[in-house]
Amino acid sequence: QKEVEQNSGPLSVPEGAIASLNCTYSDRVSQSFFWYRQYSGKSPELIMSIYSNGDKEDGRFTAQLNKASQYVSLLIRDSQPSDSATYLCAVNGGSQGNLIFGKGTKLSVKP
Amino acid sequence: DTEVTQTPKHLVMGMTNKKSLKCEQHMGHRAMYWYKQKAKKPPELMFVYSYEKLSINESVPSRFSPECPNSSLLNLHLHALQPEDSALYLCASSQVAGAGGELFFGEGSRLTVL
Repeated sequence: QKEVEQNSGPLSVPEGAIASLNCTYSDRVSQSFFWYRQYSGKSPELIMSIYSNGDKEDGRFTAQLNKASQYVSLLIRDSQPSDSATYLCAVNGGSQGNLIFGKGTKLSVKP
Repeated sequence: DTEVTQTPKHLVMGMTNKKSLKCEQHMGHRAMYWYKQKAKKPPELMFVYSYEKLSINESVPSRFSPECPNSSLLNLHLHALQPEDSALYLCASSQVAGAGGELFFGEGSRLTVL
């Protein structure tokens, strides 16, 4: 059974701090990795995709991928209360290469 | 603003009703998906359409019937649902299916079955 594991949280950080979200996956052949943000009652919104080992930065967000360790992370710098949401890690590897989602980490940024 | 549009946003139906959820995308994507999401759970894949043909049915009960009239439209027909089918139903699209590309979700249709 292919799995994507995330700490469910809640992860609480003060405003302005760096939030670090982590994800591990079981399928070694996975090639595509995504982070989605989901506000309560809303649909998932794609915020980062990463395909190669290393770091990828987009504004306050940095995704990090280590395929050898089967680990992907998301760093949010200068966290804002508006970043409070559930963050879903998704990895390709399900039926016919479709996405497998982790259970999500709930992030709370305190003013 | 999402480029995947779902209607209706909210739907309440009885167990004997027949209703449909609709989804439209104008990104030229050739893969469309239906996901189901219960509270505090991740999205669960239901169906995948690739080039307008059903390519994946994740053992979904027959009371859910998908339809892809063309490359931009995806419907989910609902009949004789159960209260446990109440959930957020998400439509998504990607350039192609199974290639590990980015998946874009619509805003969802929140279904309540009485």
